[in-house]
Amino acid sequence: DGGITQSPKYLFRKEGQNVTLSCEQNLNHDAMYWYRQDPGQGLRLIYYSQIVNDFQKGDIAEGYSVSREKKESFPLTVTSAQKNPTAFYLCASIKGNMNTEAFFGQGTRLTVV
Amino acid sequence: GIQVEQSPPDLILQEGANSTLRCNFSDSVNNLQWFHQNPWGQLINLFYIPSGTKQNGRLSATTVATERYSLLYISSSQTTDSGVYFCAVERVNRDDKIIFGKGTRLHILP
Repeated sequence: DGGITQSPKYLFRKEGQNVTLSCEQNLNHDAMYWYRQDPGQGLRLIYYSQIVNDFQKGDIAEGYSVSREKKESFPLTVTSAQKNPTAFYLCASIKGNMNTEAFFGQGTRLTVV
Repeated sequence: GIQVEQSPPDLILQEGANSTLRCNFSDSVNNLQWFHQNPWGQLINLFYIPSGTKQNGRLSATTVATERYSLLYISSSQTTDSGVYFCAVERVNRDDKIIFGKGTRLHILP
């Protein structure tokens, strides 16, 4: 089945460690996005990528890094520079042309212990 | 950047009631979507509606692009409709960002 898959579903990290969240899609979508959601809040854009080997910072990119080596994959690394990394992270993909619909993965809940 | 405002922020209704959720945006948009976030956090696509009106069962949506707002209607509410409803837009000038409103939290009481 076509879709967008995030893994793991739950992730625990010690303070000071980097951690990478996976996002894979088999929808042949060009654009991919990472969002952060804090409890009771909306979604804030971290990074997005329109094509392979290119990506742009969103509104809250500090302390995060991404790569887009393959069309299907857009991993997000939460670095030790991110002061408050505990949050729910959502990945989305969209065909990339105008007037197309975005689809989301099921999310990764990251907790710093 | 574009501003997306949703109202009301919270809504508590009795089962069977109807509701209207509103999304205002500050600039012309190419894309507009409504999502329902379930208790497990997953975003469920409700409508892709940059303009016009669509209906799907008890839910319908209308976007008036020239006046920069969209409405989501829920009729005969059920407890399973509870959750957070988000509006998301992409601007006409194609900065390619999909920007979300802060959502409306809907509680349907049995």
